[in-house]
Amino acid sequence: ETGVTQSPTHLIKTRGQQVTLRCSSQSGHNTVSWYQQALGQGPQFIFQYYREEENGRGNFPPRYSGLQFPNYSSELNVNALELDDSALYLCASSLSLTGATNTEAFFGQGTRLTVV
Amino acid sequence: TQLLEQSPQFLSIQEGENLTVYCNSSSVFSSLQWYRQEPGEGPVLLVTVVTGGEVKKLKRLTFQFGDARKDSSLHITAAQPGDTGLYLCAGGSTSGTYKYIFGTGTRLKVLA
Repeated sequence: ETGVTQSPTHLIKTRGQQVTLRCSSQSGHNTVSWYQQALGQGPQFIFQYYREEENGRGNFPPRYSGLQFPNYSSELNVNALELDDSALYLCASSLSLTGATNTEAFFGQGTRLTVV
Repeated sequence: TQLLEQSPQFLSIQEGENLTVYCNSSSVFSSLQWYRQEPGEGPVLLVTVVTGGEVKKLKRLTFQFGDARKDSSLHITAAQPGDTGLYLCAGGSTSGTYKYIFGTGTRLKVLA
């Protein structure tokens, strides 16, 4: 149990629709990262939020956007959904910025998005 | 672009056997994390190695970070069915984007 919770756990959307995924970070953590994991692949970095500001973005189109709130929870929004957006979306929280800082990241259970 | 390659991709072994999973790159990473992921769940952190040559043990699991911080290995002694899962390595990016770069994973199945 990492203390990171994501909602909803499963979601089915139609191509062209918009979706919002939510993440509640672990107590005391001020950083949230979002990853996309396609079937049979490792997670791919989407972006990271630190103290309500975006800090780093992966190779994802502007259709992918996010927010971090004062309580450090976060949302991932995807507009104009495409079939290839179907994946497991993972949220990870950490004490500070991850990556080069060696700060450990703890993942939620993920949201399984299916676009039909 | 920093990439991590894991091998083997799939591994099916009998209970009690030993195994090693490799995570390789041509790039240097600030740290290396190993995760285990069950179907439909998020990855669970097993260990973080930071220093080149570092070795960490977690019960029957031994993790090593390469001297040049470009590769890592996970060795499991006397595997048990409970070790079944997807093992992922993730490197801390040194390009300043604060991201972790994940390998494609090794799917392990331990048969009773």
